[in-house]
Formats: sequence, C-alpha cells, structure tokens
Amino acid sequence: DAGVTQSPTHLIKTRGQQVTLRCSPKSGHDTVSWYQQALGQGPQFIFQYYEEEERQRGNFPDRFSGHQFPNYSSELNVNALLLGDSALYLCASSSQAYSNQPQHFGDGTRLSIL
Amino acid sequence: GNSVTQMEGPVTLSEEAFLTINCTYTATGYPSLFWYVQYPGEGLQLLLKATKADDKGSNKGFEATYRKETTSFHLEKGSVQVSDSAVYFCALSDEGFQKLVFGTGTRLLVSP
Repeated sequence: DAGVTQSPTHLIKTRGQQVTLRCSPKSGHDTVSWYQQALGQGPQFIFQYYEEEERQRGNFPDRFSGHQFPNYSSELNVNALLLGDSALYLCASSSQAYSNQPQHFGDGTRLSIL
Repeated sequence: GNSVTQMEGPVTLSEEAFLTINCTYTATGYPSLFWYVQYPGEGLQLLLKATKADDKGSNKGFEATYRKETTSFHLEKGSVQVSDSAVYFCALSDEGFQKLVFGTGTRLLVSP
C-alpha cells in the first residue's frame, strides 16, 4: 500500500520563476493538505483540498495556489518565486470518512530559490 | 489563534538516559494533540496522539499525557537509543485532525 508520494524530490529555481509541485495521496484518502517547512522551523499550513475545492487556507499570499484532480492527487503552484520561498514543501493526506484518523505525510519536495 | 510552544534544542543525551521534551499549547475549545518525528531527509511520521483531557498517547516507548489544566503535552521516554535521534514536533488540531498547527521542533541527539 503506497503512502503519500511527492514529486519532484528536489527542485532549484530562480527568483521570479513559477513552480509546480505534485502529490499523490495515500490509497483511500480523499483530502490533501499542503505545508511549508522553512529550515529549522515547524511546518506551516498552506491550504487543504477536498472534492477538488480549497476548503481551508493558511496565511499565505495568492502567489500560492493549488488544484485537486478527480483521482484526489493535487498540485501546489507558486508564482513569482521569492528567496523566502525556499523550504521543504510537505503534502499530507487524510480521509473525510475517517476524520478521526491523523494525516499521513509524504517525504516532501525541497525547493531552493537562487 | 491556536499556537504550540516547544522547548528549544538541541537536547543532547547519552544512550539509556531519560527524555523529556516540553510542549505547551494555546487553543480555544478542545484540540487534539500530537507528537510527530522527522528523521533526516524524510517527512513527518506520527509518533503518538491524544484526543481528550487525561488521555495518554504511547508508541515505541514514548509517552505523552494530555493535561488540560496546564495546557501541556510533554513527551517522555524512559531510555533513549541512538536511533531516536531526530527532530520532534508537537502539534494540535482543532477540527477533526485536519489543519495542524506545529511547534518549532526540538532536535534530539543521542550519543552511544
């Protein structure tokens, strides 16, 4: 049973560029959440997707956007990249039907902005 | 808003020593509380959880008790191993385990 998978593992971009990160949830999960983890910090909630719609959003600018597909996989898009966007981006999945079960995390995508 | 405060690290211990990592929280209502562990180059793994006051979560020799009166959820282990070296995150969720609020993490280093 595959867990949460994220791609790519590492990515290097320059300021002003745009990036797309991808996530496949654990089998049986229908909800995807995205977190940003800066170096030496705890993860910060970006947003959550369920039924292909954004359900909750953290304190992140509109440069951060996302999408969920009918197969429950998700993308995180970041436009106009800033140096401060360098971080580990974590995807977590869960099930609405079993909302008392914790989220499962992927290994993340490490994004470096030059 | 909700927040989590953890003791700063690194915490450096010798193998078989007793471990305590302090965690306190601020939240409205009755949040669920978690400890996650992150090994180098990996994502977060759930270590244990507690969903209501006085619940004790436990896993792999680690324990934490949900103390509503002191708004705390301290992580303990009686005898640490080198393999326990990692970063530990305390977190809370106020709505069905969905949105998690994390502390800044505490790095644990265990030497032989």
